[in-house]
This record gives sequence, structure tokens and C-alpha cells, in this order.
Amino acid sequence: LAKTTQPISMDSYEGQEVNITCSHNNIATNDYITWYQQFPSQGPRFIIQGYKTKVTNEVASLFIPADRKSSTLSLPRVSLSDTAVYYCLVDFNSGGYQKVTFGTGTKLQVIP
Amino acid sequence: NAGVMQNPRHLVRRRGQEARLRCSPMKGHSHVYWYRQLPEEGLKFMVYLQKENIIDESGMPKERFSAEFPKEGPSILRIQQVVRGDSAAYFCASSSSGTGGNEQFFGPGTRLTVL
Repeated sequence: LAKTTQPISMDSYEGQEVNITCSHNNIATNDYITWYQQFPSQGPRFIIQGYKTKVTNEVASLFIPADRKSSTLSLPRVSLSDTAVYYCLVDFNSGGYQKVTFGTGTKLQVIP
Repeated sequence: NAGVMQNPRHLVRRRGQEARLRCSPMKGHSHVYWYRQLPEEGLKFMVYLQKENIIDESGMPKERFSAEFPKEGPSILRIQQVVRGDSAAYFCASSSSGTGGNEQFFGPGTRLTVL
């Protein structure tokens, strides 16, 4: 079971870059790393997913070192609307299908 | 293309009553997952279903909880004889495949309050 560990909370000022690191020491060869964002009273929303090296989309970047035991979600120039909980997930093969488990997430508070 | 739909959005039940939560996956998705979230906590996996089949129910309590995903119609999460501890937000997600790297799309959730 590839358990993930990430900081419980982070604060950042508007306009700054935010990096949230997640450790997943037991990640297996077939596992993907996915990040979700959740606003209060809403369902989680997919942000980005990667397997190795670096992935970038219009919202964020995901950095994964060669050993894949950690990953870093990078949010460029955050705004107040980025205040949310960010979950790092590793989906792992369980009986032939991919299963995901959510941790407690990182609560990001963006300050004006 | 409509996203994942859940209804009702809010449900109030008295102890001992039944709660029935519905989830319509995204069009073309045949994989459905149910999660429970307590206040200030992360989502806890409950059950994973494909059309007409329960694939993994390891996160669902053995008693009072059941789930189905019939050939026609939405997926249903059913909680019988609800207790106060069942009060939580229940999220449904769907995906096009159960294999690795497939994004799960979440619905808005059903907030269950047990009085």
C-alpha cells in the first residue's frame, strides 16, 4: 500500500509560487501520482498526474525525481481562489485494477 | 457533456431511517467509486463498482451499507437504519477505466445529516 505523507497546512501570499511536497516511499513500478484540489463543500477536482520527471499543464507543474519516492506540486503565482485542500494520491494495483487512497491533504491558505 | 451528478445534495434523516444516495456517472463511464468524508478529514474509499458488479467493497461497513450499479440507471448507495455517526459528505466519482492513470471525476457530493 503506497501511503502518502504531505504537510497538513501551508500559508502563502498572493502572487507567490507554492510548492507542496508529498512523500510516497513505497510507490510501486506501475503506480501513478495524481494531485486533486478540493474547495469547501465541493468534490475533489483533478489537477495533474504524472509517472516520472516533470509534467506541466495550464494549472500546475508536477516534479517527480528519479526514485519516485516523492513528488512536488508547484502552483505558480497563487491567488486567493487557490485556497483549498490539495491531495496527493498514488494509485496502486489491487487485484487487477487501480485503487486510489486519499490522505488528509494539505490545506493551503492564500493570504492577500 | 454533463459531469457526475449526485442527488440529493442534502439529505436529513432521523436515526433508524434509510438513506438512499444516487450517482449518475459521466457519459461513457462504467466505473463508479463511492467515498465518505467526515468534517476536516480526507476522503475514505468505500466501494468500487462496474456495471452490475461490485469489484471492491473493502471500505464499506459490512452492516447497514450496500451499493449497486444496475445495468440501467444510477448507482445507489444505501444506508439502512442510519445512526448519528453516518453524518458525513458522500462523494461519488466515475472513470472510463479501472486501470492505472485514469482520472476520477467527482460529483458535488451528498451531505447526509442524521438527527
